[in-house]
Amino acid sequence: GNSVTQMEGPVTLSEEAFLTINCTYTATGYPSLFWYVQYPGEGLQLLLKATKADDKGSNKGFEATYRKETTSFHLEKGSVQVSDSAVYFCALTSNAGGTSYGKLTFGQGTILTVHP
Amino acid sequence: NAGVTQTPKFQVLKTGQSMTLQCAQDMNHEYMSWYRQDPGMGLRLIHYSVGAGITDQGEVPNGYNVSRSTTEDFPLRLLSAAPSQTSVYFCASSDQGTSTDTQYFGPGTRLTVL
Repeated sequence: GNSVTQMEGPVTLSEEAFLTINCTYTATGYPSLFWYVQYPGEGLQLLLKATKADDKGSNKGFEATYRKETTSFHLEKGSVQVSDSAVYFCALTSNAGGTSYGKLTFGQGTILTVHP
Repeated sequence: NAGVTQTPKFQVLKTGQSMTLQCAQDMNHEYMSWYRQDPGMGLRLIHYSVGAGITDQGEVPNGYNVSRSTTEDFPLRLLSAAPSQTSVYFCASSDQGTSTDTQYFGPGTRLTVL
């Protein structure tokens, strides 16, 4: 079956530090890969996505590249801000066996705290 | 657009009670789904629907029922609540539900079963 593994958290950084959150996956077929972010007290919202190998998703200074050879989709940001403090989820959908109907498989989430 | 709305925001139940979590979207999306979020486990799919009148089970469907009589609404029913159903519940929708679609999430319902 499909699975997503994220780096253990929580992650604590100072403002302007470099961020990497590792994500690796196992999937059948041709998965699409997503990063969702959950700010305190809110629902999840899409941060970025990539739908085929070597695609790079980017948004709000965050980037992630779909690496099929290493089955990875690591999230990076060059300079984090206090406002980036949130929970980050890596997720995938797979179209194996026909339409997947967007059934997301999530990693366990990584809590990021950024201090001034 | 209000997007995806959920009610209530918080609920406390006693074991054996029943209740319905409401979910509505105003984006005319065909695909809707319910997830539960538990600490250290990410989100897990409970049930989903690809259109009015069509529903199917996800990863953790036991103890939950759904129906989809309109495009806009997708309620989740707990017929006899158990402490294991204490969780945060999120409803989501997407346009056609294909594997590349962006899914839009509601703000969640925090449920405690005593």
